[in-house]
Amino acid sequence: GENVEQHPSTLSVQEGDSAVIKCTYSDSASNYFPWYKQELGKRPQLIIDIRSNVGEKKDQRIAVTLNKTAKHFSLHITETQPEDSAVYFCAARPGGSYIPTFGRGTSLIVHP
Amino acid sequence: DTEVTQTPKHLVMGMTNKKSLKCEQHMGHRAMYWYKQKAKKPPELMFVYSYEKLSINESVPSRFSPECPNSSLLNLHLHALQPEDSALYLCASSQAPGTSADNEQFFGPGTRLTVL
Repeated sequence: GENVEQHPSTLSVQEGDSAVIKCTYSDSASNYFPWYKQELGKRPQLIIDIRSNVGEKKDQRIAVTLNKTAKHFSLHITETQPEDSAVYFCAARPGGSYIPTFGRGTSLIVHP
Repeated sequence: DTEVTQTPKHLVMGMTNKKSLKCEQHMGHRAMYWYKQKAKKPPELMFVYSYEKLSINESVPSRFSPECPNSSLLNLHLHALQPEDSALYLCASSQAPGTSADNEQFFGPGTRLTVL
């Protein structure tokens, strides 16, 4: 089955800095890569996703890049704000499945 | 309506109790999921229903019993749970499996379960 590795497990930045979270996947047929943000006590919410036919996608301060050859994808957050503090999960949907496999999560802390 | 709702928000139960968690969506999604989540860990898949039929059971103990009465509702019946079963139980839904849709998962707010 699919295996998703996510790094780092904890990321601490100052407000205004950029944050980068990286994930690798094992199934070369995986074709959909969502990123979820989960604030303390809340549900996971999709913040951005990318499909395997696209190399980069941007939405305001967040962007995701995908390198299919290397089988890795990354989340980039620019101009971080305290409200960006949360746990972020990457996921990969294996080919032939509609169920994503989650990474272990990154706890992002943005210090004011 | 683009939300998944879950009741109750919080549940405290003893090891001999029987209780049920409920989940509802009105987005026309035909795949519904139960996940268990411990603090700061990823959601752990328990069950998947596809077109109201159980399609995946991730070797979950029989003290958890899912039920899908119709395409909008999903229940999780609990009986004789253990303290280690205390967690956040998340329901999710997505569009019909096998379609060309991207199958984004929409999560409910979860039920915080404590087993004493």
